[in-house]
Amino acid sequence: DAGVIQSPRHEVTEMGQEVTLRCKPISGHNSLFWYRQTMMRGLELLIYFNNNVPIDDSGMPEDRFSAKMPNASFSTLKIQPSEPRDSAVYFCASSLGLAGSYEQYFGPGTRLTVT
Amino acid sequence: AQKITQTQPGMFVQEKEAVTLDCTYDTSDPSYGLFWYKQPSSGEMIFLIYQGSYDQQNATEGRYSLNFQKARKSANLVISASQLGDSAMYFCAMRVLNSGYSTLTFGKGTMLLVSP
Repeated sequence: DAGVIQSPRHEVTEMGQEVTLRCKPISGHNSLFWYRQTMMRGLELLIYFNNNVPIDDSGMPEDRFSAKMPNASFSTLKIQPSEPRDSAVYFCASSLGLAGSYEQYFGPGTRLTVT
Repeated sequence: AQKITQTQPGMFVQEKEAVTLDCTYDTSDPSYGLFWYKQPSSGEMIFLIYQGSYDQQNATEGRYSLNFQKARKSANLVISASQLGDSAMYFCAMRVLNSGYSTLTFGKGTMLLVSP
């Protein structure tokens, strides 16, 4: 079975450029999460969706960040304009639901470096 | 609000020995779930084991077991017969179960190094 797929795996960009991270959740999962991981702040939840609808985006750091889920099999996280402090590993995760004991399955992550 | 505390930044263990990774949690909700994830150097987060607050027995999955002490609000991960491939970062997480939408709260993690 295919797990959560993220692309690109690595992204290096210059400050001010737009960055788009992509995620394909596990088929049949109706909840999707975007996380950011840094050494300083650990794992932070940015936003999550249920049935393609954003439920809580209070973790999104600034208006420069936006996320969409146009259908059940695709989500994007966009940073525009990017800044060096956005450098981190961005994970997408999916689960069968938001309630109950459902575990989240994580993708391999996208390592973003903004110079 | 929920809180997860992992007090051990790093742990060392020799191959084939058992190791316990500590996790304490704080919540006022009586219904919750506790999760452990492993993050090897390759970066992916791998789900290991789950324990529900009302589960009567401690969860086990192969060499992983969860030492759940509800009164002490601890959910320690026990890895038996450590292997070199167990070297990784380990995260404890929890979620309240009886609210409509509830997400995982993660601890800061513990780095485990297994030596030959």
